[in-house]
Amino acid sequence: QSALTQPPSASGSPGQSVTISCTGSSSDVGGYNYVSWYQQHPGKAPKLMIYEVIRRPSGVPDRFSGSKSGNTASLTVSGLQAEDEADYYCSSYADNSYVFGTGTKVTVL
Amino acid sequence: EVQLVESGGNLVQPGGSLRLSCAVSGFTVSTSYMSWVRQAPGKGLEWVSVIYGGGATYYVDSVKGRFTISRDNSNNALYLQMHSLRTEDTAVYFCARLPYSAAAHFDRWGQGTLVTVSS
Repeated sequence: QSALTQPPSASGSPGQSVTISCTGSSSDVGGYNYVSWYQQHPGKAPKLMIYEVIRRPSGVPDRFSGSKSGNTASLTVSGLQAEDEADYYCSSYADNSYVFGTGTKVTVL
Repeated sequence: EVQLVESGGNLVQPGGSLRLSCAVSGFTVSTSYMSWVRQAPGKGLEWVSVIYGGGATYYVDSVKGRFTISRDNSNNALYLQMHSLRTEDTAVYFCARLPYSAAAHFDRWGQGTLVTVSS
């Protein structure tokens, strides 16, 4: 039940794209298509942005997209906007448990 | 409208106990998959426990034997009973819903309740 590994920070200018990686193992990310991503603004509850690797809940802009290759999942935010500045966490199912990533702070320059 | 509202967070001494509640509206707890997730001050999210629709429960290793997740169908609420609390249990505790039986993501969250373990 070790946390998934994410880069501590990522940044981009408005309109640019940023990609966040999430590295686990064959016991979690690599073993299931159950990777999800959450956005969290300071003092707020997390918000689901991507689930089952690539699916977007209704209401989430299509600027957010997910992918996975092997034991690493990725979240791409295209056309960065000021309101995208937040912490982002990945999560994966892992055999009757769930594990979150270490978190990435996205800064819009 | 789906709503989850946590309560019960407080300051407690090491070794003490506390019960957190999550009042749910807009769906039925008894047939839902529900989880507790916590976040220590300034730190990342950590999954704590899950209760499946059939009643099976699972926990992160660090709380096994100390925490118990349960639900009250009559009150449509989720609970987390915490015993033998440690300073490292200090965190905001969120309740969250997994939206269907095959889901492994959390689509709705409460606002969180703060548990502080300190002497």
